[in-house]
Amino acid sequence: KAGVTQTPRYLIKTRGQQVTLSCSPISGHRSVSWYQQTPGQGLQFLFEYFSETQRNKGNFPGRFSGRQFSNSRSEMNVSTLELGDSALYLCASSPEGRPETQYFGPGTRLLVL
Amino acid sequence: GQSLEQPSEVTAVEGAIVQINCTYQTSGFYGLSWYQQHDGGAPTFLSYNALDGLEETGRFSSFLSRSDSYGYLLLQELQMKDSASYFCAVRDEGGSYIPTFGRGTSLIVHP
Repeated sequence: KAGVTQTPRYLIKTRGQQVTLSCSPISGHRSVSWYQQTPGQGLQFLFEYFSETQRNKGNFPGRFSGRQFSNSRSEMNVSTLELGDSALYLCASSPEGRPETQYFGPGTRLLVL
Repeated sequence: GQSLEQPSEVTAVEGAIVQINCTYQTSGFYGLSWYQQHDGGAPTFLSYNALDGLEETGRFSSFLSRSDSYGYLLLQELQMKDSASYFCAVRDEGGSYIPTFGRGTSLIVHP
């Protein structure tokens, strides 16, 4: 099976802009989670989607949003980018009934200037 | 709330055995997972303990003691390629099922 894929892999934006990141989960996985990883804060949970519904949400401002499509592909959007949003954004999918087993994609490295 | 504590760095030599500890404080508990992440790479799932005891997967083993709120990852026959960061993670069974990761332990394996 192909692994989790994310696009784009690298992105440079300026403050105030918005960005959309895409994630395709492993075939058959309906749960998709998003994480932000920074040297200062570590790996932090953003949100989880299952069958097109947001199931859980981490402690991030409303500028961070996401959605999931009927084919389980997911997108996350960050509006009004801030310098502090520079990070590695990771998407992970998990098999049904096994949320403890997260299969991560390679991530999108976002740099906000 | 949840918090996990793990050492920031551990060093060892090739062929040795190393143990990476993780202590946690949660309002509930659903199980302890371990992930490996090489520099520039994505985290990779290693193991999961839902119940007390030892789980073995090749050179890697993971242990959990729910009564002590403590777990560890044991790496045997260390290889240079094991140099990476290792994260423990929990999911709160308090209803939100939000996963929380530790800050990670950087393992440096010397020849």
